[in-house]
Amino acid sequence: DQQVKQNSPSLSVQEGRISILNCDYTNSMFDYFLWYKKYPAEGPTFLISISSIKDKNEDGRFTVFLNKSAKHLSLHIVPSQPGDSAVYFCAASEEYGGATNKLIFGTGTLLAVQP
Amino acid sequence: DVKVTQSSRYLVKRTGEKVFLECVQDMDHENMFWYRQDPGLGLRLIYFSYDVKMKEKGDIPEGYSVSREKKERFSLILESASTNQTSMYLCASSLAAYQPQHFGDGTRLSIL
Repeated sequence: DQQVKQNSPSLSVQEGRISILNCDYTNSMFDYFLWYKKYPAEGPTFLISISSIKDKNEDGRFTVFLNKSAKHLSLHIVPSQPGDSAVYFCAASEEYGGATNKLIFGTGTLLAVQP
Repeated sequence: DVKVTQSSRYLVKRTGEKVFLECVQDMDHENMFWYRQDPGLGLRLIYFSYDVKMKEKGDIPEGYSVSREKKERFSLILESASTNQTSMYLCASSLAAYQPQHFGDGTRLSIL
């Protein structure tokens, strides 16, 4: 059963507009969330994260929002640029025995920013 | 910058072969991870390690094993390769719990 879901396989946005990528999760024990960007033939690159004690985190053009009651996470990119075209993965963290944490990834959303 | 290096970008092997995928990180990270990425399935955790010689099963460990003899190196082993193990394999490392994982560029493995 998929604990982290990205229900939109793809999204197309005009350059300069806002891109909103969504992610839903089922496990209320998740306490840390991350977004990664992936270009073809490269590994995922960390973008931004948020702890479950916050509801918003901002880094330049990227903002992540967390709604714990709805178990929903979103990534806003403003303004969108053609170089943002990539696959975006959300990930949720669960603690492993106090030693480390494991990430559960969504299936990804392909963002295409049109010039 | 963190550097996670996977030994091969592309690899072709035959069914039944024993396959080794190597990963090295240069930032003295405690934690290392192996994932596979398949279309429509995202990244799925195979094995991880939070210390030298420690290894823990992830969500899909069947058919795989790992080795971590040194802190910087984490190897994924396909004991007897099968065609359903054709995939993109990604290695990652993190400094500590609740720190972002940093990924290598992946190994695209084809089993014929």
